[in-house]
Amino acid sequence: QITLKESGPILVKPTQTLTLTCTFSGFSLTTRGVGVGWFRQPPGQALEWLTLIYWDNDRRYSPSLRSRLTISKDISKNQVVLTVANMDPVDTGTFYCVYRSNYYDNSGTIDSWGQGILVTVSS
Amino acid sequence: SSELTQDPAVSVALGQTVRITCQGDSLRSYYASWYQQKPGQAPVVVIYGKNNRPSGIPDRFSASSSGNTGSLTITGAQAEDEADYYCNSRDSSGNVVFGGGTKLTVL
Repeated sequence: QITLKESGPILVKPTQTLTLTCTFSGFSLTTRGVGVGWFRQPPGQALEWLTLIYWDNDRRYSPSLRSRLTISKDISKNQVVLTVANMDPVDTGTFYCVYRSNYYDNSGTIDSWGQGILVTVSS
Repeated sequence: SSELTQDPAVSVALGQTVRITCQGDSLRSYYASWYQQKPGQAPVVVIYGKNNRPSGIPDRFSASSSGNTGSLTITGAQAEDEADYYCNSRDSSGNVVFGGGTKLTVL
């Protein structure tokens, strides 16, 4: 069974850097094709893809947010870490950790989602 | 901004059939996957690949594609199908692309 769980602060101040951790189980991020990443969803709005990191350390970022995002992995801990620099109130939303099983598939499928963590940006 | 385009809202009478569409250049080369998201919950994949349903997804959900358009069809919509539906695919660079979502109302 695949599980993903997000952890981190639920309240950050404007201009601060947000650091979120995804702890996963049920798969290995060393398996060819596997990726773990992040989405966000502002309240009442659509899902937005942020970033993915793959088994071979290939990192993909949303073009619109690339300058503010960093993703990394710790294989020994089964964790993926997201940092978002210079947080703003418009960044308030639920952040989801996701699992992608096959980089080579023909559909870009996101196979599993964590429960999400609501992060509020406010002074 | 989304690289796949979806209608913001669609409605269907209980028990009737509804089609939710997704348009984008990437769909000429790749299939769309579809996700259902109910209020306060994480998205769940309902269709992936050409037309594959994960275990536990009812067979009233199906998918098709033509040209730059992918479609999710719900045959015999139920009250519990009321949700937001998102499509996604990939591009030739390996990036994932997502639609802006369709709110489905079951009347």
